Amino acid sequence: EAGVTQSPTHLIKTRGQQATLRCSPISGHTSVYWYQQALGLGLQFLLWYDEGEERNRGNFPPRFSGRQFPNYSSELNVNALELEDSALYLCASSRRGDRNTEAFFGQGTRLTVV
Amino acid sequence: AQKITQTQPGMFVQEKEAVTLDCTYDTSDPSYGLFWYKQPSSGEMIFLIYQGSYDQQNATEGRYSLNFQKARKSANLVISASQLGDSAMYFCASPWGSQGNLIFGKGTKLSVKP
Repeated sequence: EAGVTQSPTHLIKTRGQQATLRCSPISGHTSVYWYQQALGLGLQFLLWYDEGEERNRGNFPPRFSGRQFPNYSSELNVNALELEDSALYLCASSRRGDRNTEAFFGQGTRLTVV
Repeated sequence: AQKITQTQPGMFVQEKEAVTLDCTYDTSDPSYGLFWYKQPSSGEMIFLIYQGSYDQQNATEGRYSLNFQKARKSANLVISASQLGDSAMYFCASPWGSQGNLIFGKGTKLSVKP
């Protein structure tokens, strides 16, 4: 069974540009979560999608947005990139319904803004 | 507000010895779960072990076990017979209230010495 896959692995963008990160969940998982892990700041929750809808949002500005497609894959879009957006972006998926079900993570996309 | 605290930024352990990584949590939710994840230098978060608040026994999973003390609100991870491959960041996490997303502690960097 394939795990959570993220693309691209690395992404370099210029300040002010837009970045699009992609995530494919484990088969049978309907929930997708996005986290940002900036250097020295730990994992910060960004967005949670389930069944195509945004279910919860972390304390991030609106230029961080995303969506979930009918096949449960997801995109994270970051507009008007700033230098401090440089971070590892991790996607996780889980089965919906039980919040105490473990989430499985992808290998991450390392975004560098120059 | 819900909070996960890991007070040990870094830990050293000799190969083949046991080590305990601390985690305390602060929640008013009567039903909750606690997760531990391992993050090697490659970046991927690997699920290790889960403890539910109503579980009668401490969770165990191979060389990993949880020392769960509900009254003290602590869920410490015990790794027995440490191996060089255990060198990594370790994160304690819990669901955010009724939401599916996790909140994480700041992590502990474990270094296993040969």
